[in-house]
Amino acid sequence: RKEVEQDPGPFNVPEGATVAFNCTYSNSASQSFFWYRQDCRKEPKLLMSVYSSGNEDGRFTAQLNRASQYISLLIRDSKLSDSATYLCVVNIPGGFKTIFGAGTRLFVKA
Amino acid sequence: NAGVTQTPKFQVLKTGQSMTLQCAQDMNHEYMSWYRQDPGMGLRLIHYSVGAGITDQGEVPNGYNVSRSTTEDFPLRLLSAAPSQTSVYFCASRTRQSAYNSPLHFGNGTRLTVT
Repeated sequence: RKEVEQDPGPFNVPEGATVAFNCTYSNSASQSFFWYRQDCRKEPKLLMSVYSSGNEDGRFTAQLNRASQYISLLIRDSKLSDSATYLCVVNIPGGFKTIFGAGTRLFVKA
Repeated sequence: NAGVTQTPKFQVLKTGQSMTLQCAQDMNHEYMSWYRQDPGMGLRLIHYSVGAGITDQGEVPNGYNVSRSTTEDFPLRLLSAAPSQTSVYFCASRTRQSAYNSPLHFGNGTRLTVT
């Protein structure tokens, strides 16, 4: 089993739609969680951290469920510029390892 | 403010050749790491370092060596390149302080092809 698993995608949505991505992690001791965005052939960039109480940044909302070892990202009012691959990322304790999910590709169409 | 700098951006090697991918950061980050990214596989951790003189293996270390003689530099060495090492390589760093909550900063990547 992979340490971090994501919806395989791709997701094809129209502009203005709401889309949700899911992610599960296997190490119950994982301590911090992030969503990164990666544009085609570019380096990943931090989108937002994920906090236990859930957090929002504009049109983006992240949720964490430690009991279920589940992370989600909700994008409201999708824009064409949101088209990218979204990576779920987990920091593993005890070795400072950061593990990435395989990513979910999002296409937003006009 | 350069951040994380990787060189070269592109490289073509023949099977059996050796080379070093360079990575340097100017943010005084203690933690540095190398990832490879292959289609459908996401980023996989090759090696990482939590400070000068300290390195450890990630998920896919075979075929790669690293060293960390300074805080700034973390080179990745391929001793005998194989076609299976064709990939995009990313170097990343972060501060160790509050390491569990600090995000990674990435270089622009190196696209390596082994023929």
